[in-house]
Amino acid sequence: AQSVAQPEDQVNVAEGNPLTVKCTYSVSGNPYLFWYVQYPNRGLQFLLKYITGDNLVKGSYGFEAEFNKSQTSFHLKKPSALVSDSALYFCAVRDSWGKLQFGAGTQVVVTP
Amino acid sequence: GAVVSQHPSRVICKSGTSVKIECRSLDFQATTMFWYRQFPKKSLMLMATSNEGSKATYEQGVEKDKFLINHASLTLSTLTVTSAHPEDSSFYICSAGGWDRGYYGYTFGSGTRLTVV
Repeated sequence: AQSVAQPEDQVNVAEGNPLTVKCTYSVSGNPYLFWYVQYPNRGLQFLLKYITGDNLVKGSYGFEAEFNKSQTSFHLKKPSALVSDSALYFCAVRDSWGKLQFGAGTQVVVTP
Repeated sequence: GAVVSQHPSRVICKSGTSVKIECRSLDFQATTMFWYRQFPKKSLMLMATSNEGSKATYEQGVEKDKFLINHASLTLSTLTVTSAHPEDSSFYICSAGGWDRGYYGYTFGSGTRLTVV
C-alpha cells in the first residue's frame, strides 16, 4: 500500500531562515508525490508534484522539493521563509486506485 | 489553471435537516470527484470517490445513506448530508481529478464548514 509520513507536527522557523518540511514515502513501484498547503478554513492549494525526471522539483511560491529514492524522502524546502508561509502543509502520494493518500500534516509557524 | 468552485463556504443547519454541498469544475472535465472530511488540525479523511454517471464508492466506515453523492456530469458533483447531527459538524472538501495539460492532477475546492446545531 502507498503511504506517506510527516514526522513533525509543527515546524517553527524565523522569517528569512530556510524552511524544511519533511516527508517520507512507502510505495510499490514509481511514486507520484505531491505537496499541498492549506490556510485556515480553506481548501488545499497545490504546490508541486513529482512524477518522473529531475529529482529537484520547483513549485509555487518559491517552494521546491527534492525526491530522494535511496532515502524514500520528498522534503519540501524554501530558502527564505515568509510570515505568510505559516500554514498547514500536506505531503501526499497517489495510490494505485488514483486516490491521494495524505500525511498527517505539518503546521509551519514563521515568526517575524 | 484548473479551478473547482465549492459552495457554500459555510453553513449552519438544525439537527435533523439535510444539507447539500456543490462542487463544480469550471474549466476542465472532472472525471473523478473525491470527497473528504477534515477534523480540526487533522489530515483529510477520504469519504468517497465518484465517477461521472456511476455510483460513488464509499470508504470503509462511511455511511452511504447518510452522505449521498451525486456526480451527474463531468463538471458537477454534490454531497448531501442527510438528517444531519452535531457529530456531522466538520470541514468538507471536494477534489476533482482530471487530465490537465497531459498530467493527471487533483484540484481542490475551497471547502465547506458545516455546523449542525
